[in-house]
Amino acid sequence: EAGVAQSPRYKIIEKRQSVAFWCNPISGHATLYWYQQILGQGPKLLIQFQNNGVVDDSQLPKDRFSAERLKGVDSTLKIQPAKLEDSAVYLCASSPMGGSWTEAFFGQGTRLTVV
Amino acid sequence: RKEVEQDPGPFNVPEGATVAFNCTYSNSASQSFFWYRQDCRKEPKLLMSVYSSGNEDGRFTAQLNRASQYISLLIRDSKLSDSATYLCVVGRSARQLTFGSGTQLTVLP
Repeated sequence: EAGVAQSPRYKIIEKRQSVAFWCNPISGHATLYWYQQILGQGPKLLIQFQNNGVVDDSQLPKDRFSAERLKGVDSTLKIQPAKLEDSAVYLCASSPMGGSWTEAFFGQGTRLTVV
Repeated sequence: RKEVEQDPGPFNVPEGATVAFNCTYSNSASQSFFWYRQDCRKEPKLLMSVYSSGNEDGRFTAQLNRASQYISLLIRDSKLSDSATYLCVVGRSARQLTFGSGTQLTVLP
């Protein structure tokens, strides 16, 4: 079974530029998460989708970050304009819907450096 | 107060040692509990779920105390390959997962 795919793996941009990340979850997984992980910290949830609806975006800095999940499959996360403090690994994860809790499967992440 | 709190460590232990990690959570409505493992520069992966009755998987034992809102992970007979960051994860309704900041473990030869 193919895992969660993310691209690009690495991105270096200057502050005030814009950047977009792409995620393709595991086929059939209804729940999709975007997490931000700053070096030395745990992953912090930015936004969670259930199919193409937003479940939780309370920690998404909406003045500069946006995310969409069209057709309930792929998702993109955009930052515009980027700040130095946005340097982090952006992790996408997915999990299936269903009765009992199951694990969230993570992609390899996109490492963003803002200079 | 953070929703999920962990001792960041680092824990440096010799091979064969037993080591325990603790985690507390603030939301009493939390429903599910997990330990994830994250190797350096890699993505987090599920280590084990944590059940109310406690559960064991080989050298790993997880415990949950709902009254105290406390989760633990015990690793017996530590191996070099156990060196990683261990993330405490708490789930709420609608499959919302909140991660702790992680506890770094280094097992020394």
